[in-house]
Amino acid sequence: GQQLNQSPQSMFIQEGEDVSMNCTSSSIFNTWLWYKQDPGEGPVLLIALYKAGELTSNGRLTAQFGITRKDSFLNISASIPSDVGIYFCAGQLYTDKLIFGTGTRLQVFP
Amino acid sequence: GAGVSQSPRYKVAKRGQDVALRCDPISGHVSLFWYQQALGQGPEFLTYFQNEAQLDKSGLPSDRFFAERPEGSVSTLKIQRTQQEDSAVYLCASSPGQGATNEKLFFGSGTQLSVL
Repeated sequence: GQQLNQSPQSMFIQEGEDVSMNCTSSSIFNTWLWYKQDPGEGPVLLIALYKAGELTSNGRLTAQFGITRKDSFLNISASIPSDVGIYFCAGQLYTDKLIFGTGTRLQVFP
Repeated sequence: GAGVSQSPRYKVAKRGQDVALRCDPISGHVSLFWYQQALGQGPEFLTYFQNEAQLDKSGLPSDRFFAERPEGSVSTLKIQRTQQEDSAVYLCASSPGQGATNEKLFFGSGTQLSVL
């Protein structure tokens, strides 16, 4: 099945550092979403983006909808231990099914 | 309950066995999705229901996979003659409107299927 490309695949950072990750697609979407998944749980929505160029924040998280509509970016500022988990992007065309990325695994060391 | 409930939480099957995975969506939610998540990968779409109607089954990998939602609430994903490549976490998600209305799309914790 189709999956979006996420990079980096994994990140190992120290508490307090900022984190950046991105997601790219070969096709356009009109919605970009970012989810976090903890071990043994389902994905939980962090941020939703609906317009090319849009920049949206949710606390320490900031995400951007790329102007080509084929990519998106997520930044986490001042990371803390509870940020540990797997971050997935997802693209959507109208209210169609979500297409997920391959995931970025984040590990935060104290 | 308050969230999407899936059962069993874990299922171990011998190759060739049939399995049935259950999803209880949030009460009143119209749309229901099944996703398959292989180890180290993102979720991949399997099928979508709007009430009892299965509107999209394009993601089902083979005719061994079958899903139903006969009364528009609980859904069952059935896998016949399981194979080792079916080993994955099966996630169910529901939302109150038609299609995947994002802020209101809620995932269950999944069923982890291991085929030996």
